[in-house]
This record gives sequence, C-alpha cells and structure tokens, in this order.
Amino acid sequence: ELKVEQNPLFLSMQEGKNYTIYCNYSTTSDRLYWYRQDPGKSLESLFVLLSNGAVKQEGRLMASLDTKARLSTLHITAAVHDLSATYFCAVDSYSGTYKYIFGTGTRLKVLA
Amino acid sequence: DGGITQSPKYLFRKEGQNVTLSCEQNLNHDAMYWYRQDPGQGLRLIYYSQIVNDFQKGDIAEGYSVSREKKESFPLTVTSAQKNPTAFYLCASSSPGTGYEQYFGPGTRLTVT
Repeated sequence: ELKVEQNPLFLSMQEGKNYTIYCNYSTTSDRLYWYRQDPGKSLESLFVLLSNGAVKQEGRLMASLDTKARLSTLHITAAVHDLSATYFCAVDSYSGTYKYIFGTGTRLKVLA
Repeated sequence: DGGITQSPKYLFRKEGQNVTLSCEQNLNHDAMYWYRQDPGQGLRLIYYSQIVNDFQKGDIAEGYSVSREKKESFPLTVTSAQKNPTAFYLCASSSPGTGYEQYFGPGTRLTVT
C-alpha cells in the first residue's frame, strides 16, 4: 500500500526563522506535488517536482525531490506570518489509471 | 478563465436525503477526482475518472456514487447510505499536459443533520 508521511504534523515557528518539512513516500514515483491550504479553503498548488534532483523555489519556499531516497523537502526561509497554513505533499500512483496519495499535512503557524 | 467550479459552496441536508454535488471544469482535462476532507485531516479519495463513461472507486467509495457523461462534468451523489456525510468535498482535475498536476475546485461544505 502506498503511504505518504509528512513530518512534523504541527510546526510553530518564529518569524524570521528557517525550517524544513519532510515528505516520505513508500513506493517508486517520479512526480511529487506540494500544496498549500488556508483554513476553510481549497488546495492551492505550490510546486510540481517531476524528476530526481528537481528543485523549485518561489519566494521563501523551496522544494526538492530525491526519488532514490523517496523523500521531498519543503524548506522555509525567513518565515513570515503569511506562510501560516497547512502544507500537503502528494505523489501519483499508476496501476492502469492515475490516482494521487496525499500526505497527512503539516500545519504551520508562524508567530510574529 | 479556465478552472474548476463546484456548487454549491455550502449545502445543508437532513439525514436520509440524497444530495448531489456539482463539479465542472473547462480545462479540457481528461481526469477528474473527488476527495473528502474531515476537519484537521488530510484528503481521502472517493472516486476518480480518467475518461468519459468510466470511473473507479477510491479508498472510501461506500455511500457515494458518481457519473461521467461529459468530459467537463463529474457530479458526486452522497447517498443516505453514507453514515457520516458531513465534510468538506473537493473536486480536482488533471492532465498529462500539465505534468499531471491536480487543479482543485473551491470545495463544497456539506452539513447533514
């Protein structure tokens, strides 16, 4: 069974600090996705990582993918309050049809 | 503007009633998905469809039904057989042309009392 695990589940950090969220998955997959969800809202796509070694950056967020280790990281640099949200990673799985498996989510709270 | 629409945004029903949630996309995506999200939890896959007139059960399909008569539309019916239907329902679509990235609709919050 394909599993996607994120840690930490909850993260409270001070503004200006750096931190990393980890996403481990249990099967071979070359594609990994990061999403952001604000309270009561839908999911917003942040990054699509399509191959081993892929690195993408947008503002204070940087995501990377190591398919050999089955690990993706979402690094937060100099956190600001606006980054407070829940972050999900997901991988796709193909067995005749594509479906996506989501991680448990990391609830991030950035304190002023 | 291309995107996914879900309606209604909020839906209230009495126990024992079936209810249908709408999902429409104009992105020309072949694949569409329905997820359920409970408070403080992740997403769980209900049903998905890769092409018109074909769909597959996800991890929690019991008590739900879908149809895919048109490429643009993938309605979800929550039946009275679903024991705990109160949740946030999200529809998504994807395409190989976008790296299989999923695009999500705004969601429907269903409350059953």
